[in-house]
Amino acid sequence: DSGVTQTPKHLITATGQRVTLRCSPRSGDLSVYWYQQSLDQGLQFLIQYYNGEERAKGNILERFSAQQFPDLHSELNLSSLELGDSALYFCASSVGRGSYYEQYFGPGTRLTVT
Amino acid sequence: KNEVEQSPQNLTAQEGEFITINCSYSVGISALHWLQQHPGGGIVSLFMLSSGKKKHGRLIATINIQEKHSSLHITASHPRDSAVYICAASVWNTDKLIFGTGTRLQVFP
Repeated sequence: DSGVTQTPKHLITATGQRVTLRCSPRSGDLSVYWYQQSLDQGLQFLIQYYNGEERAKGNILERFSAQQFPDLHSELNLSSLELGDSALYFCASSVGRGSYYEQYFGPGTRLTVT
Repeated sequence: KNEVEQSPQNLTAQEGEFITINCSYSVGISALHWLQQHPGGGIVSLFMLSSGKKKHGRLIATINIQEKHSSLHITASHPRDSAVYICAASVWNTDKLIFGTGTRLQVFP
């Protein structure tokens, strides 16, 4: 158990809908990263927050947004969902600001868009 | 060409064999991560290294910064080592990770 929690575990929704994925980092970790893993593209970095502030953006679509709250949990909002958004979404946390700190991964949320 | 390349893509071994998985990268890095993804999907960080060599049990990771190459070795492989192994580069001066496509390892008894 990494200490990182993600909810929900599974999510099935229809095209055009909006969903929110939630991540709680390990106790004491200030950074939260979001990743997408689809069958055809592997793992991709989406976005990072450190202590409530956005630090880095990767291949995140405009339909997607995220935030980190004062209690350090983070939410990833996916809107106008398309079939291609079906994927595993992982969050990870680390103690420091840079990606050269060890990251601890949550169990993931499997999103299926029908 | 991907900025982080892994080889081989698939690897089959008999229990007890010595395994090597390679990772080459073309970007400047601050660190190189090795991750293990279990068949159920969960991801575990195995190593993070910026120079030299690290060992944890039967796993050894090495990195050659000049050659931009890292290897993950598994000694005395076991069926429970069957998983996907992924290397990821922490890009220098950013907070981004770029992932390799992974190596699927199957170890048979």
